[in-house]
Amino acid sequence: AQSVTQLDSHVSVSEGTPVLLRCNYSSSYSPSLFWYVQHPNKGLQLLLKYTSAATLVKGINGFEAEFKKSETSFHLTKPSAHMSDAAEYFCVVSDASGGSYIPTFGRGTSLIVHP
Amino acid sequence: NAGVTQTPKFQVLKTGQSMTLQCAQDMNHEYMSWYRQDPGMGLRLIHYSVGAGITDQGEVPNGYNVSRSTTEDFPLRLLSAAPSQTSVYFCASSYSSGQGAYEQYFGPGTRLTVT
Repeated sequence: AQSVTQLDSHVSVSEGTPVLLRCNYSSSYSPSLFWYVQHPNKGLQLLLKYTSAATLVKGINGFEAEFKKSETSFHLTKPSAHMSDAAEYFCVVSDASGGSYIPTFGRGTSLIVHP
Repeated sequence: NAGVTQTPKFQVLKTGQSMTLQCAQDMNHEYMSWYRQDPGMGLRLIHYSVGAGITDQGEVPNGYNVSRSTTEDFPLRLLSAAPSQTSVYFCASSYSSGQGAYEQYFGPGTRLTVT
């Protein structure tokens, strides 16, 4: 069975300061992990993905995430927040349990960026 | 490519009415899924399909039916709408990007209100 926990429902930062959105996962198999972003009243867009290659994954808009198996974490970071980063972020885990790759979504973290 | 399209964008139903939410993709993806998004709950899988003629239940299938007669289309039917089905519905299509990682592409969503 797989599960994912986003540790913060809201994160508030000032423009220009670093962003850290935390995600822990549980998986019985080698997981694939994703971060998606959802801007207000929009669909979800893939930010980045981990698929058992490099553990440090770079995505769009300056975001990156590091897969840490020992800590079962896949935290999303960005060195300097921009106002346009304000959105909802979802961490997603997918593995081969049950013979298919059905993804499980975290409950989301709302990123608020202050000027 | 239009990607994933959904119609309608907004819908208001009375309790007991039925309707079909339409979803189409033009990327020749095998997998298609329907999710509902409720505040604080992330996205929950309703039904999914791994190819034309094959569908299966997700986490919250009660009150919904699906069919997949073509690769492109995956409609979601509400048989008898209930206020608990008030939500935002997202359709997604996906392909394997290697090593079992199914990267998903999302439609813009349908906002449904049941009174």
